Amino acid sequence: NAGVTQTPKFRILKIGQSMTLQCAQDMNHNYMYWYRQDPGMGLKLIYYSVGAGITDKGEVPNGYNVSRSTTEDFPLRLELAAPSQTSVYFCASSYALGGNQETQYFGPGTRLLVL
Amino acid sequence: EDKVVQSPLSLVVHEGDTVTLNCSYEVTNFRSLLWYKQEKKAPTFLFMLTSSGIEKKSGRLSSILDKKELSSILNITATQTGDSAIYLCAVETNDYKLSFGAGTTVTVRA
Repeated sequence: NAGVTQTPKFRILKIGQSMTLQCAQDMNHNYMYWYRQDPGMGLKLIYYSVGAGITDKGEVPNGYNVSRSTTEDFPLRLELAAPSQTSVYFCASSYALGGNQETQYFGPGTRLLVL
Repeated sequence: EDKVVQSPLSLVVHEGDTVTLNCSYEVTNFRSLLWYKQEKKAPTFLFMLTSSGIEKKSGRLSSILDKKELSSILNITATQTGDSAIYLCAVETNDYKLSFGAGTTVTVRA
């Protein structure tokens, strides 16, 4: 049971490049989330998904896209990288059903530097 | 817009001291309040506080939710150097989304 895994751990991008941050969970969680954390700040929600095929915007979605074709995977896509997207990205997952919600479990994070 | 404010932003204590961290919130459709500890990597879960569970304790850590004052405190007694971390407060709404505060950085000196 690996929990929530993220790849890559670290990446440097040039302005305008694109990339996909991978996230996978093996806990059969229905909810998945993407956050970004800037230095000295809390986590801000980018996108989230309540199940396969369903995604919705969070607080800071601009410049990002997501898809959820399977329960396990929730990739985050940056189409045109900008310096403002330099951050640490965390993926999380949780199980929620009928008003019962477990806590969110976080992946180890991806550090992204856009130059 | 949902708002979560933590104080202080940072503090330095010596081993054995007691630490009290504060979290206040303004959210619609409050569901629960969570505390996380973040060391170098991902946040790890400490406590979840809800209307039916307003006080939690685990070893030297304890937390209380005050729904009337829209706030929570996290206490750490007999601090150790391993308690050095960023402590994050998050408020969950009914749609299972979390809003995080900026965190309190705790440094425990030997």
